[in-house]
Amino acid sequence: GAGVSQSPSNKVTEKGKDVELRCDPISGHTALYWYRQSLGQGLEFLIYFQGNSAPDKSGLPSDRFSAERTGGSVSTLTIQRTQQEDSAVYLCASSFDSRIGVYGYTFGSGTRLTVV
Amino acid sequence: RKEVEQDPGPFNVPEGATVAFNCTYSNSASQSFFWYRQDCRKEPKLLMSVYSSGNEDGRFTAQLNRASQYISLLIRDSKLSDSATYLCGFNQAGTALIFGKGTTLSVSS
Repeated sequence: GAGVSQSPSNKVTEKGKDVELRCDPISGHTALYWYRQSLGQGLEFLIYFQGNSAPDKSGLPSDRFSAERTGGSVSTLTIQRTQQEDSAVYLCASSFDSRIGVYGYTFGSGTRLTVV
Repeated sequence: RKEVEQDPGPFNVPEGATVAFNCTYSNSASQSFFWYRQDCRKEPKLLMSVYSSGNEDGRFTAQLNRASQYISLLIRDSKLSDSATYLCGFNQAGTALIFGKGTTLSVSS
């Protein structure tokens, strides 16, 4: 597609439920990133996929968070047993291979997650 | 020292003013540097990359000072439409960008 697509755009869930957030990157972008942004806060890195390499999971805040990327394209971020502190905007971004050049990211419009 | 620091502002300036923001980083191995713009309740959008020699795009000028480990963004002749939050980001090859918390700019008429 022309841009990074994320779904759903908004999600309200009850505490303790699992949620799945989806990201469809720009065609041809081999790198995919997940960040989250809480109200008034900066972008917090979560996880980074580059091609078929093992993902960099160093930013995941707890083992309730996981992500996968199937076929080198679409990615799903899963949050299990959601807590109120998980409420944030979850942003996905994609880029060309950052190991071989300087490439900025294109962000999707995000999923606004509210845990009640 | 924090990985990246930005003055949160807000910077309140009149139209036509020149304003500059800095962003300091702690990792001397950082290789790529960027400025992003984020409007309220929107996603960040790439404003410009920052090159070692400095670069300019219209009213916007970005500089990198490796010795002092900071990048800067200069906006000349500010417009109302420049009102936004400006995020700096940097990384090493093969790692994800680390972003600052942003500097808020408000341009008034």
